[in-house]
Amino acid sequence: GAVVSQHPSWVICKSGTSVKIECRSLDFQATTMFWYRQFPKQSLMLMATSNEGSKATYEQGVEKDKFLINHASLTLSTLTVTSAHPEDSSFYICSATRGQVNTEAFFGQGTRLTVV
Amino acid sequence: AQRVTQPEKLLSVFKGAPVELKCNYSYSGSPELFWYVQYSRQRLQLLLRHISRESIKGFTADLNKGETSFHLKKPFAQEEDSAMYYCALTGGYNKLIFGAGTRLAVHP
Repeated sequence: GAVVSQHPSWVICKSGTSVKIECRSLDFQATTMFWYRQFPKQSLMLMATSNEGSKATYEQGVEKDKFLINHASLTLSTLTVTSAHPEDSSFYICSATRGQVNTEAFFGQGTRLTVV
Repeated sequence: AQRVTQPEKLLSVFKGAPVELKCNYSYSGSPELFWYVQYSRQRLQLLLRHISRESIKGFTADLNKGETSFHLKKPFAQEEDSAMYYCALTGGYNKLIFGAGTRLAVHP
């Protein structure tokens, strides 16, 4: 099966600093990667869609300058939370797909970010 | 607007009882519908998709376009079915829109 790995699994950072989260597809090339945010006991909210070599497409209400997404290769996408604040504390999840249209999404294990 | 509605936050049943997790959707075109499951301490994974028309772990789901529903059913629940279930749709380019999720608790 296809495996998606996120790193780190959890991170604690100080308010005002930036944090980078990596999402890798380990055994396949991901045409598209997605970033989600999940608050406690709530559903996954799509933040942005990332295609290799092009700018990410952000969902309405998601700050582009706050959540920087880079998709430098077909196996790696990164999410950088810039100038993090306590309200950015959340569970961030990435997913990746292999094909172009309506194919199965494979999810990472998620990253728990705590900003203190 | 694209939307997935799962009206029940929690569904609690006894082992062997039938289960139906409800899902309704709103989409202007022809979406593809999915059920994803998240077991305790595990990542989200695909359970089934409407185009496959298959039964996975005894679960089935039929797309009803007239009622815009995609309810998940299983005739006899097992304790290992206890998990968080998310209904989701994608209208293209693999962008998944999730419902709020329903926690299924199967008691012995």
